[in-house]
Amino acid sequence: DQQVKQNSPSLSVQEGRISILNCDYTNSMFDYFLWYKKYPAEGPTFLISISSIKDKNEDGRFTVFLNKSAKHLSLHIVPSQPGDSAVYFCAASKVTGNQFYFGTGTSLTVIP
Amino acid sequence: DAGITQSPRHKVTETGTPVTLRCHQTENHRYMYWYRQDPGHGLRLIHYSYGVKDTDKGEVSDGYSVSRSKTEDFLLTLESATSSQTSVYFCAISEPSLAGVSEQYFGPGTRLTVT
Repeated sequence: DQQVKQNSPSLSVQEGRISILNCDYTNSMFDYFLWYKKYPAEGPTFLISISSIKDKNEDGRFTVFLNKSAKHLSLHIVPSQPGDSAVYFCAASKVTGNQFYFGTGTSLTVIP
Repeated sequence: DAGITQSPRHKVTETGTPVTLRCHQTENHRYMYWYRQDPGHGLRLIHYSYGVKDTDKGEVSDGYSVSRSKTEDFLLTLESATSSQTSVYFCAISEPSLAGVSEQYFGPGTRLTVT
């Protein structure tokens, strides 16, 4: 059973606008979350993380928001650039755990 | 970029043959992982290692075995390949922080086709 879900397989956004990628999880024990970006024929690369003691973490154009009560996190990219076009995976774990559980990914296309 | 290599990068094999994929790291990270990526499933953990000779199963471990005899190498073996094991395989490494688990860094992947 999928413990981390990304319900939007794809998203298209105009260059310069905001991209919002969503992720839901079912396991209330998860307390550490990450976003990865993946280009074709490459391995995923780490983007940004957030622990459950925070509800927001920012790194440049990327911001992750965590809503623990809704078991929901989102990644905001502002402004979106064509180079952001990739598949984005969210992942979740327990801080004291050894395993990460990944969502199925959202393919983002930023239109110039 | 983290120093992670995977070999081979591409492989075509026949059903029933054994296959071994290799992951090599130069970062001296304690944890190493094997994932497979399939359409509609994202990344699923096969096995992981938390030290030399210390390994554990992930969510899709059936049909796979692993070995780690040195910190830098983590091998994934398909004892008798099946068509359902056609996939892209990724190795990842991580070094837990004092607070606990931390981000993983991925290798470039191995595309395996079982005919």
